[in-house]
Amino acid sequence: QVQLVQSGAEVKKPGASVKVSCKASGYTFTSYYMHWVRQAPGQGLEWMGIINPSGGSTSYAQKFQGRVTMTRDTSTSTVYMELSSLRSEDTAVYYCARGTLLSWAFDIWGQGTMVTVSS
Amino acid sequence: QSALTQPASVSGSPGQSITISCTGTSSDVGSYNLVSWYQQHPGKAPKLMIYEVSKRPSGVSNRFSGSKSGNTASLTISGLQAEDEADYYCCSYAGSSSVVFGGGTKLTVL
Repeated sequence: QVQLVQSGAEVKKPGASVKVSCKASGYTFTSYYMHWVRQAPGQGLEWMGIINPSGGSTSYAQKFQGRVTMTRDTSTSTVYMELSSLRSEDTAVYYCARGTLLSWAFDIWGQGTMVTVSS
Repeated sequence: QSALTQPASVSGSPGQSITISCTGTSSDVGSYNLVSWYQQHPGKAPKLMIYEVSKRPSGVSNRFSGSKSGNTASLTISGLQAEDEADYYCCSYAGSSSVVFGGGTKLTVL
């Protein structure tokens, strides 16, 4: 079945970087965009950016420009999201979500990865 | 971009209908028929309920429907059931390969 499986929870110190992985299975990896969305504790959803697994092109939300990098490995059908210069406000659950072609909707979601930033 | 505006909470009794609004601007909701809605139960990942304003993915109950007028999109749930109690988020394409979410609405089934 179609699924996205993310890496496990992380605890990082302020100023560090974190890299979260999202492994896709059950469909053609390069045929769908992948988005990253985060959710701080008790807060709403926040879109971070998108990667096209086919060519690797990316687009990031203005808020994260310069701090986020999204990459992919087509040999393992895995996308990665790296966030640098972490601060306490980055404590959140990070989700990867498959983007439906042309619809800009997210039809399959990963289970989420909790990233805690604490000194 | 600024988040889309949703009511913080709505409530209804079993069997009733409720509507959740989602107000954006002429740069997002008003410009594109690319509004989607997500249901999220506590501790779970969001689930796609509506895409392209009014289309339902396979497997989603026809009790869920979507619409749009101008800069405001709406999600209507008819025949409310206890399992509909959850948080609901709207989302819109906002141009330049970007997306914006609403702040979320907590639905309580009384």
